[in-house]
Amino acid sequence: NAGVTQTPKFQVLKTGQSMTLQCAQDMNHNSMYWYRQDPGMGLRLIYYSASEGTTDKGEVPNGYNVSRLNKREFSLRLESAAPSQTSVYFCASSGSTRPQETQYFGPGTRLLVL
Amino acid sequence: KNQVEQSPQSLIILEGKNCTLQCNYTVSPFSNLRWYKQDTGRGPVSLTIMTFSENTKSNGRYTATLDADTKQSSLHITASQLSDSASYICVVSAVRGGSYIPTFGRGTSLIVHP
Repeated sequence: NAGVTQTPKFQVLKTGQSMTLQCAQDMNHNSMYWYRQDPGMGLRLIYYSASEGTTDKGEVPNGYNVSRLNKREFSLRLESAAPSQTSVYFCASSGSTRPQETQYFGPGTRLLVL
Repeated sequence: KNQVEQSPQSLIILEGKNCTLQCNYTVSPFSNLRWYKQDTGRGPVSLTIMTFSENTKSNGRYTATLDADTKQSSLHITASQLSDSASYICVVSAVRGGSYIPTFGRGTSLIVHP
C-alpha cells in the first residue's frame, strides 16, 4: 500500500520548458489536490479535483493546468516554466473535499526553474 | 483576507522537555483547525483535527487546544523525542458555497537536541 506517489522526485527546467508532474493514489479516494510550498510560506492550493471528471482552481492556479486522468491519477502541467515556479510541489488525496476529511500527502517533487 | 499566524518561527529544546506551539487565525467562516507534522523532505501528516465545539484533542504525546472565541490554538508536545524534530503546520479551513478553502500557516520548525 504505497499511499500517494509522485514522479519525478527532482527536476531542473530551463525557463520556457514544459513538464508534467504525475501523482497517483491507491486509497480509492475521490478527491485529489496539488499544492506548492515555498520557503517561508505556507502551502498554497493550486488546483483540486473533487471527484473524477471535475477540477477547480485553488488559490494560485495561474501558469498551471491539471488533468484528472482517472480516479487514481491527477497530473499537474507547467506549459512554459518560469523561475517563479521554482518550488516543492505536493500532491494530496482525501475521501472527499469536506474539510474534516484527512488529506494524505505524497513525498513532493522539487522543481528548479533556471 | 484569511490568515494563519504561527509562533514561534523556530524552537530548539532538549530531549525530554515539553513545548507549546501557537497558532492564531482570522479565517471565516470557520470549519475546522488541523495540525500537521512535516518531517524534512516529506509531505505533511495530520496529527489532530478540531471543530468549533472542541476545546482539546490528544494524539499520544501531542495535545491540541482550541479557543474559538479568541481564534487561537496551541499544540503541546510532552516529553519530547528526537523524532519530534520537524515543522508543525496549523491549517484552518473555511467552507464557502461548497468550496473547500484551506489556509496554511508557515509552520514552526522544532529541533529536539539530545
